[in-house]
Formats: sequence, C-alpha cells, structure tokens
Amino acid sequence: AQSVSQHNHHVILSEAASLELGCNYSYGGTVNLFWYVQYPGQHLQLLLKYFSGDPLVKGIKGFEAEFIKSKFSFNLRKPSVQWSDTAEYFCAVKNYGQNFVFGPGTRLSVLP
Amino acid sequence: DTAVSQTPKYLVTQMGNDKSIKCEQNLGHDTMYWYKQDSKKFLKIMFSYNNKELIINETVPNRFSPKSPDKAHLNLHINSLELGDSAVYFCASSQAGDAEAFFGQGTRLTVV
Repeated sequence: AQSVSQHNHHVILSEAASLELGCNYSYGGTVNLFWYVQYPGQHLQLLLKYFSGDPLVKGIKGFEAEFIKSKFSFNLRKPSVQWSDTAEYFCAVKNYGQNFVFGPGTRLSVLP
Repeated sequence: DTAVSQTPKYLVTQMGNDKSIKCEQNLGHDTMYWYKQDSKKFLKIMFSYNNKELIINETVPNRFSPKSPDKAHLNLHINSLELGDSAVYFCASSQAGDAEAFFGQGTRLTVV
C-alpha cells in the first residue's frame, strides 16, 4: 500500500524566510503528486501538481515543488513566506485507479 | 458557483442518533470521495464512488454508509453516532484517471 510521510509536524518561520517542506512516498510505480494547502477553518485547496515532464513544478502563490524520482520525494518550496501562508500543508500521491493518499500534514506558522 | 458543496457545515448531535451529510458537485466529475479529518488534521479516505459504484471502501464501521442517487451526489449516512465519530468530514470529487481532487468546505461533526 502507498504511504506518504512529511518530515516536519510543525514549522515556525519569520516573514521573508525561505521554506522547504519535505514529502516522501513509498510507491515504486508511476504516481501523480500533489500539494494541498488548508488555511485555518477552510477546505483543502490545490497548490500544485506533478503528472509528468519537468520535475520542477510551479504552483500558485509563489510555491514550487521538485520531484526527485530516485529519492521518492516531492518537496515544497517558497523563497519568501508571508504571514498569510500560515496554514496546514498536505502532500498527496495517487496512482491510476487508486485513491489519493495524503501525508499527515505539516503545520506552518509564519510570524509577522 | 461552488464546485463541491456540503451541507450542513456544522452538525452537533447526541450519541446514538442517525445523521446524514449531503454532498453535491457541479464539475461533471466521475469520482467522488469522503474523507475524515481527525483532531490532528490527519486525512483518511472513507469511501470513493465512480459512476455510482463503490470502488474503494476502507475499514470504516458499517454504521457509515455512502449513498449516491446520481453522479453528482454522494451523501454520507451515519447510524448510531459515537463520540469517536467527532471530526471534520470532507467530500471531494475528481475526474477519472489522475486529475486532482476538489474538496468541499467540510462538515464539522460533534457528537456529545
């Protein structure tokens, strides 16, 4: 069965700091990869996705992620965070015909 | 227009009651899901439906039953509610294959 791990449970940064959130998955076949964000009290929204092609994927709000197949990783990055980026971030994987499997989430707190 | 809508947003009920949560999507997607998010923000798949057929049913108690009157709706019915059922329940939908999932706003269920 697929599983997804996220390296950090809670990350605290000051505004303008750079962000990298780790994500690793266990499935060895072809997968599609996603990062979702959940702002406080809200639903999950898609930040970015990787299906194929360029392993460096750009998403909304200045986020990007890099797929490294050899490391089974899909880390999320942002060069300069803002207070409004405070949220829960979820990495997810899906292979054809299967469910989305979500990681446990990483809470990001950005201090003004 | 809301793409995936759930009702109610909040639900407070006593142990032993039966309740339903409704979900509708207007995206024309083939697959709908129910996820449970616990107090630690962990997202667990409960059910998914593809063209009105249950395709994955994780190990959830049979007190939970999904009902899909048509492709655009996937309702969640819960019998004999227990304290441990308290959580946020998210409905989601996606197109067949590997497209991303779109989430509803969530239903916060509190069993007292």
